[in-house]
Amino acid sequence: AQSVTQLGSHVSVSEGALVLLRCNYSSSVPPYLFWYVQYPNQGLQLLLKYTTGATLVKGINGFEAEFKKSETSFHLTKPSAHMSDAAEYFCAVSEDTGRRALTFGSGTRLQVQP
Amino acid sequence: NAGVTQTPKFRVLKTGQSMTLLCAQDMNHEYMYWYRQDPGMGLRLIHYSVGEGTTAKGEVPDGYNVSRLKKQNFLLGLESAAPSQTSVYFCASRYGGANYGYTFGSGTRLTVV
Repeated sequence: AQSVTQLGSHVSVSEGALVLLRCNYSSSVPPYLFWYVQYPNQGLQLLLKYTTGATLVKGINGFEAEFKKSETSFHLTKPSAHMSDAAEYFCAVSEDTGRRALTFGSGTRLQVQP
Repeated sequence: NAGVTQTPKFRVLKTGQSMTLLCAQDMNHEYMYWYRQDPGMGLRLIHYSVGEGTTAKGEVPDGYNVSRLKKQNFLLGLESAAPSQTSVYFCASRYGGANYGYTFGSGTRLTVV
């Protein structure tokens, strides 16, 4: 069975500081990994995904994530936080099984201080 | 605009009432999903469908039923609402491959009193 653990339900950074949101996964087969962002009172929007190939994945809004198989991790980073990055972020894993459903982590709320 | 449309956006129900949430997508996606979102718990899968006329249970199906009579629509029903079903409900759809992400609807905020 697949699962996702997001360390830290709340992360606070100063504007211009590095953003690091942690995600570890468990999967019995090679996973597909995703990061989604949710702004207040909105649905979820895809930030980036890892499927195969390059382990450093670039997404929208300056975010990137690195797949590390040996650490079963897929941490999300952004070099310089902007006030508009304040949102909730979800890591998710998918397996190429029949239902092909995503399993989500519990989410990390990012706060950006001026 | 192409995407996933959920109706209604908000609803307040009394305990024991029934209702149906509608999800419609115009992207010809085969796979459709219903999730509920609760604080600190992320999104949990209620039911899903891998094609027209098929449905299956997810992790938290109790108290819900679904139907997918047409490929573009996926209905979530609550036969007898309970306060524990107070949540935000999201519908999502995807193209066939597991390497594709979801397209999400904007959600339905349901309160059961």
